[in-house]
Amino acid sequence: DVKVTQSSRYLVKRTGEKVFLECVQDMDHENMFWYRQDPGLGLRLIYFSYDVKMKEKGDIPEGYSVSREKKERFSLILESASTNQTSMYLCASSFPLQGGSNQPQHFGDGTRLSIL
Amino acid sequence: AQKVTQAQTEISVVEKEDVTLDCVYETRDTTYYLFWYKQPPSGELVFLIRRNSFDEQNEISGRYSWNFQKSTSSFNFTITASQVVDSAVYFCALSIYNQGGKLIFGQGTELSVKP
Repeated sequence: DVKVTQSSRYLVKRTGEKVFLECVQDMDHENMFWYRQDPGLGLRLIYFSYDVKMKEKGDIPEGYSVSREKKERFSLILESASTNQTSMYLCASSFPLQGGSNQPQHFGDGTRLSIL
Repeated sequence: AQKVTQAQTEISVVEKEDVTLDCVYETRDTTYYLFWYKQPPSGELVFLIRRNSFDEQNEISGRYSWNFQKSTSSFNFTITASQVVDSAVYFCALSIYNQGGKLIFGQGTELSVKP
């Protein structure tokens, strides 16, 4: 079974802090993703990466950055945390196109982040 | 631009009832994929099904079935004889071919199945 592990289930930080959310997958997936989930808005893509050291902005990248130094690890960084970044953060991974098909993403359990 | 709409925010049913979750999508691309995910209270999204835009055949998996209709841009999900364990938030999502596999999610439908 695919395992996507997020470093924390719950995290409380203060405004202005630099926050790191870590995600590790064990299936040698090339693609990795960071989403945030807010009530009534579903999941929105922050950043994704299709290879080591490669990254692309998603729909809501402002205030975030990412790092992918190793294939299995994808980190989300809140440069200077603000209260509007309080949310559930979900990491996912997948294979790239296979047989001409987009592959399903496998998700971690999520990190519920509160910024005070 | 692409968009997914799940108009039903919350649905409550009694066990053994059938329930249909609606999903409507928008895209001008001709090759795309549609997904359903289940998010139980534990938080992890669980993949349920993937459908490509060229395959309109309905699919049944146990008590779950999916109805894909391109003419109405809909990909609805029906649970037959619902059970308490079906209580979860369900997300419909769209992925465009060759765009990195990123998903565009609907707002989610929270299903509550009462005993």
